[in-house]
Amino acid sequence: QSALTQPPSASGSPGQSVTISCTGTSSDVGGYNYVSWYQQYPGKAPKLMIYEVTKRPSGVPDRFSGSKSGNTASLTVSGLQADDEADYYCSSYAGGNIGVFGTGTKVTVL
Amino acid sequence: EVQLVESGGGLVQPGRSVRLSCAASGFTFREYAMHWVRQAPGKGLEWVSGITWNSGTIGYAESVKGRFTISRDNAKNSLYLQMNSLRVEDTAFYFCAKDRAGTYLPDYWGQGTLVIVSS
Repeated sequence: QSALTQPPSASGSPGQSVTISCTGTSSDVGGYNYVSWYQQYPGKAPKLMIYEVTKRPSGVPDRFSGSKSGNTASLTVSGLQADDEADYYCSSYAGGNIGVFGTGTKVTVL
Repeated sequence: EVQLVESGGGLVQPGRSVRLSCAASGFTFREYAMHWVRQAPGKGLEWVSGITWNSGTIGYAESVKGRFTISRDNAKNSLYLQMNSLRVEDTAFYFCAKDRAGTYLPDYWGQGTLVIVSS
């Protein structure tokens, strides 16, 4: 039940794109299409941005997109805006009613 | 509007117990699995435990297995986490979260309750 691996930080200028990776194993990310991504501001609860690898909840801008290849999932934020600056976490189902989160990535808008 | 309100946190000594509660509203509680997720101050998210709608399937992180017990009362729209044999490393904000139906992962989250384990 090891945490999924994310880069500690990512950055981009306004209008640019940033992609965050989330690497797991065949027992979690690679084994199920149940990968979610969350945005968290300091002192706030996480907010769901992507579920089931590619789906966006109502109200989430289409600038946010998800994908998966093998044991690695990715979140891409296009057209970066100042309020995209936050921590981002991936999460995956790991079987046996167990979940696992990623290590988290701090996105900075330059 | 989905609302999840946690309570029961506070300062507790190592080895002692505490019970967290989560009051749910704004959705049909009995139809959804629920989760507890924690976050140590300044650290990342850690999935703690999950329970299906009818309590038929329950899962725990290895770090809390045998010490924590998740439960729910669908008649009271409430989720619970009984935390025994607490350790300093259990210090964290504990979030209650609703399952995104069929995904086994959270969608809506409460604001969290802080548990501090210290002598």
